[in-house]
Amino acid sequence: TQLLEQSPQFLSIQEGENLTVYCNSSSVFSSLQWYRQEPGEGPVLLVTVVTGGEVKKLKRLTFQFGDARKDSSLHITAAQPGDTGLYLCARSGTDKLIFGTGTRLQVFP
Amino acid sequence: GAGVSQSPSNKVTEKGKDVELRCDPISGHTALYWYRQSLGQGLEFLIYFQGNSAPDKSGLPSDRFSAERTGGSVSTLTIQRTQQEDSAVYLCASSLGPSSLTEAFFGQGTRLTVV
Repeated sequence: TQLLEQSPQFLSIQEGENLTVYCNSSSVFSSLQWYRQEPGEGPVLLVTVVTGGEVKKLKRLTFQFGDARKDSSLHITAAQPGDTGLYLCARSGTDKLIFGTGTRLQVFP
Repeated sequence: GAGVSQSPSNKVTEKGKDVELRCDPISGHTALYWYRQSLGQGLEFLIYFQGNSAPDKSGLPSDRFSAERTGGSVSTLTIQRTQQEDSAVYLCASSLGPSSLTEAFFGQGTRLTVV
């Protein structure tokens, strides 16, 4: 059973555009992680957010954890072709790591 | 090695045969996870190990799937009597522990094709 819903499922944009992807759940997270997966590779951790309302920035990527700790967003400013990949949120806790449904991003030059 | 290693990287098998997939985690990582990914979709949780024990086997799709971990290190995922719907990329990850703040490091996966 998939507990984390991500939207949109697919996103194709031109280089330079901004975008936001969302991760939602009906349950409260103790913490949430975002990963990016490139073709033929395993996912790689981008960030971990822990506190409700927390905002973290990683260069052109801005991650926000909802105040109620049930949702999160990832905003990319001025997307580049190198941002292409599958973006996955994951609910982390004291046991297993559960991933969302994923957002596949394609950035065209 | 420095990272999580999975073998084989590709496996083609005939329907009905058994397959074994291997995962070598990062040394010292006590937590180990197996996931299945179908055609660029999200990651489906299969099983999680803490040390040699598996507190949660709830994600295994059927009794044809089993996994073990020995010595707190290498893990094998076994699929018996493979079916075409088992075709997918099987990913393994390890982390220092189950804490919410630890990073999971992934292998490159085993692409399984059942023909």
